Amino acid sequence: GAVVSQHPSWVICKSGTSVKIECRSLDFQATTMFWYRQFPKQSLMLMATSNEGSKATYEQGVEKDKFLINHASLTLSTLTVTSAHPEDSSFYICSARDLQKSYEQYFGPGTRLTVT
Amino acid sequence: KQEVTQIPAALSVPEGENLVLNCSFTDSAIYNLQWFRQDPGKGLTSLLLIQSSQREQTSGRLNASLDKSSGRSTLYIAASQPGDSATYLCAVHTGTASKLTFGTGTRLQVTL
Repeated sequence: GAVVSQHPSWVICKSGTSVKIECRSLDFQATTMFWYRQFPKQSLMLMATSNEGSKATYEQGVEKDKFLINHASLTLSTLTVTSAHPEDSSFYICSARDLQKSYEQYFGPGTRLTVT
Repeated sequence: KQEVTQIPAALSVPEGENLVLNCSFTDSAIYNLQWFRQDPGKGLTSLLLIQSSQREQTSGRLNASLDKSSGRSTLYIAASQPGDSATYLCAVHTGTASKLTFGTGTRLQVTL
C-alpha cells in the first residue's frame, strides 16, 4: 500500500515552454502533497506544500508564478513549470501524506526535467 | 530554521562490514525522523521511521537510533552487501505543516 506515482518519469522541453507534472496517490487519500526539487548530487529541497482545495504554500525563494501547483482532488496534485529555462532542469519529486497516518510521507519516483 | 547534516558524505566499505551513518539536526523539536535510500536517478525508498518518543527502530539488517535531546540519529547497517550501495538520506519532520527537512546524504559504496 501507500503508492505514489508521478507522470511523466522524464521530459525534455524547449526553453520558454511549459511542462506539467502529475503526482497521484494510488491507494490512499492525501489532503497534503509536497513538491521537492533535487539538483545533481544534492539533497531534496522543499518547494511547496499543496493542500487539497486551497492554495499552495511556497517556500522562501520559490516563485509561485513560475511553479504553479494545483491540488484539485485528494489523489492528484500537479506542478506546472511555466516558461521553462535551462536552470529549471532538475529532478522533481512529490510526496503525499496519508490521512490515516500522521506525518508519514510517501514519495513518488520522481520526474527528470531537462530544458534545452 | 532546521538544519540537518549527515556524516560522512561518502563511504566505501568492503562487503560484509558493519557500518554506521550519522545524522544530526539543530532543532530538537521534531515529530519524527525518517531514513531513506535513494538509488541513482530514482525516487526515495523509506527505510525506517522513528517517532520522537522512540529511541530506535529495526528492520532486518538495519537499525536506526534517535537521541532527540542531543539532535542525533544513527543508521546501523549490519553485514553490508553490494546491493546496499546507494545514497542514504535522513529527514526530520518539524512544524505543524509536517515539513520534512532533508540531510545532505551519505553516498555508500559496498565493494566485493
